[in-house]
Amino acid sequence: QSALTQPASVSGSLGQSITISCTGITSNIGNYNLVSWFQQHPGKAPKLVIYEVTKRPSGVSNRFSASKSGTTASLTISGLQAEDEADYYCCSYAGSSKVVLGGGTKVTVL
Amino acid sequence: QVHLVESGGRVVQPGRSLRLSCAASGFSFSRYGMHWVRQAPGKGLEWVAVITLDGSEQYYGESVKGRFTISRDNAKNTLYLQMNSLRREDTAMYYCVKDLGITGDYWGQGTLVTVSS
Repeated sequence: QSALTQPASVSGSLGQSITISCTGITSNIGNYNLVSWFQQHPGKAPKLVIYEVTKRPSGVSNRFSASKSGTTASLTISGLQAEDEADYYCCSYAGSSKVVLGGGTKVTVL
Repeated sequence: QVHLVESGGRVVQPGRSLRLSCAASGFSFSRYGMHWVRQAPGKGLEWVAVITLDGSEQYYGESVKGRFTISRDNAKNTLYLQMNSLRREDTAMYYCVKDLGITGDYWGQGTLVTVSS
């Protein structure tokens, strides 16, 4: 059982927008603005797409955006493209150097 | 350019031990906490352990506590994971990750551990 709860799957058509939720508790998402999101394609290592709740690393498309409200973080992918089909994981700092991860969400592009 | 290169994964029998290494380059290794994260075949990511930048503190996920030990050698820019009393459920790809609690901006390509008789 993962510490952060994500939907198992989300799907959307090309060009549409989708949102993935990530629900935690006060002691992780609620207390820290240190939520990251990772994209993982099959057979590849995860890749950072969002850090510190809303920030995009250099080179990541601006179609990726994110937010946080209370104990829930969200990742939105706008203008869905075929290459966005992947697994997405959220991660939150949980104090004392520890982190918690979400169970992952499989994004399917229809 | 940042590189994290894991090694040491192989097929090992249940109950045996294994040590993984992660060679870091391209950044000031001693300035960052380092993590191990694993992924069982077809499953999601699982956080395994973290070590602080100076190695003074280590924390573990519940499933490995008491069996795994994370350590680092800042002079060699290398992270380690000593895995004892291995179980079949420890079979996974093991990734080392830079600064996961803050960004998680760099991951290695992983090293595969298979626990099987």
